Amino acid sequence: AQSVTQLDSQVPVFEEAPVELRCNYSSSVSVYLFWYVQYPNQGLQLLLKYLSGSTLVKGINGFEAEFNKSQTSFHLRKPSVHISDTAEYFCAAGDSGGYQKVTFGTGTKLQVIP
Amino acid sequence: KAGVTQTPRYLIKTRGQQVTLSCSPISGHRSVSWYQQTPGQGLQFLFEYFSETQRNKGNFPGRFSGRQFSNSRSEMNVSTLELGDSALYLCASSWGLAGGQETQYFGPGTRLLVL
Repeated sequence: AQSVTQLDSQVPVFEEAPVELRCNYSSSVSVYLFWYVQYPNQGLQLLLKYLSGSTLVKGINGFEAEFNKSQTSFHLRKPSVHISDTAEYFCAAGDSGGYQKVTFGTGTKLQVIP
Repeated sequence: KAGVTQTPRYLIKTRGQQVTLSCSPISGHRSVSWYQQTPGQGLQFLFEYFSETQRNKGNFPGRFSGRQFSNSRSEMNVSTLELGDSALYLCASSWGLAGGQETQYFGPGTRLLVL
């Protein structure tokens, strides 16, 4: 069974500083990896995803993530955060089966400090 | 294109009651998944429906059930409510043809409070 671990439950960072949100997954089969963002009182929105190919994935709002198979990691990065990036971020892994079953991490709350 | 809609947005029920939540997917999407989100457990997969059939199920008791209609709209039912069922219930839709690599589109959720 898959599991997704987000190592930090909360990450405070000053505005315009860089940030990295960490995610590790465990799986013995191929996985598809996602980062979603949840703003207060809203559903989740896709930031980016890795299916195959280039290990550096670029997403919306200036975010990017790097797939590292040897370390089973998929960390999310942004070189300069903005107040509007304050939200909760979820790392997720999709199963390689033909059905939709996604395992989510427990989330990381990013707090951008002005 | 309209997004995923969920009704109602908020619900207050008492223990022992039952509740039905509704989800309308994005037009053309045939897969609807349901998740329970709580502060302690995070997002947990409940089940997925595709073309009116339950295709996958998470580890929840039988009190949690669902169905999907021919227009892909889905309902989730929770019977004999318990205090621990208080949560944000999220619905997500996707085309349903490419399995776990598909992007899911989430609705705003239904917040259920059980007293």
